[in-house]
Amino acid sequence: DTGVSQNPRHKITKRGQNVTFRCDPISEHNRLYWYRQTLGQGPEFLTYFQNEAQLEKSRLLSDRFSAERPKGSFSTLEIQRTEQGDSAMYLCASSFKGSNQPQHFGDGTRLSIL
Amino acid sequence: AQTVTQSQPEMSVQEAETVTLSCTYDTSESDYYLFWYKQPPSRQMILVIRQEAYKQQNATENRFSVNFQKAAKSFSLKISDSQLGDAAMYFCASSTYGQNFVFGPGTRLSVLP
Repeated sequence: DTGVSQNPRHKITKRGQNVTFRCDPISEHNRLYWYRQTLGQGPEFLTYFQNEAQLEKSRLLSDRFSAERPKGSFSTLEIQRTEQGDSAMYLCASSFKGSNQPQHFGDGTRLSIL
Repeated sequence: AQTVTQSQPEMSVQEAETVTLSCTYDTSESDYYLFWYKQPPSRQMILVIRQEAYKQQNATENRFSVNFQKAAKSFSLKISDSQLGDAAMYFCASSTYGQNFVFGPGTRLSVLP
């Protein structure tokens, strides 16, 4: 059973640099979500895709953030001109369509900004 | 808008004992779903249990059960016969049609041997 895979697991970068994370969802799932989680807090919704269409973006997602899901398979989340406040765990989850469907999470990518 | 509140930042339980984690939520929707997720240290979040709001019967999964009080908008998680492997952050979450998951701030559960 292949779960949700995220790469890299850890990313350390200097302030001002661009970073890109990748998420490979469970192949049968048509929905893919991105969350941000800071220490001791619950995940905060950033954006989600249904197949290749990006259906919703949180106001947390500033114009420095962009996400794509070409061909409705894997997704990338890019942060441009990183800031100290971007340091967090970035979680990806996937699910079948429907608000009753549980989301399956990856291990996350921990971003540290120097 | 949905909100989820977990008023217990930390809880502890003796191994083999029972513990209840609290969660309250607020939503204007009549049709919604509630979830408990577990996040062990440095490991991925996994689903513990799910409850449909239209079902009166409380969901149960082995040692995990919920007490769903719709009128009070309360959704607590009971863990029976606690095991060392139950130690984790527990997040309550809600989902409604057209809205995405909203997670609470979490409760850190420690299991004492």
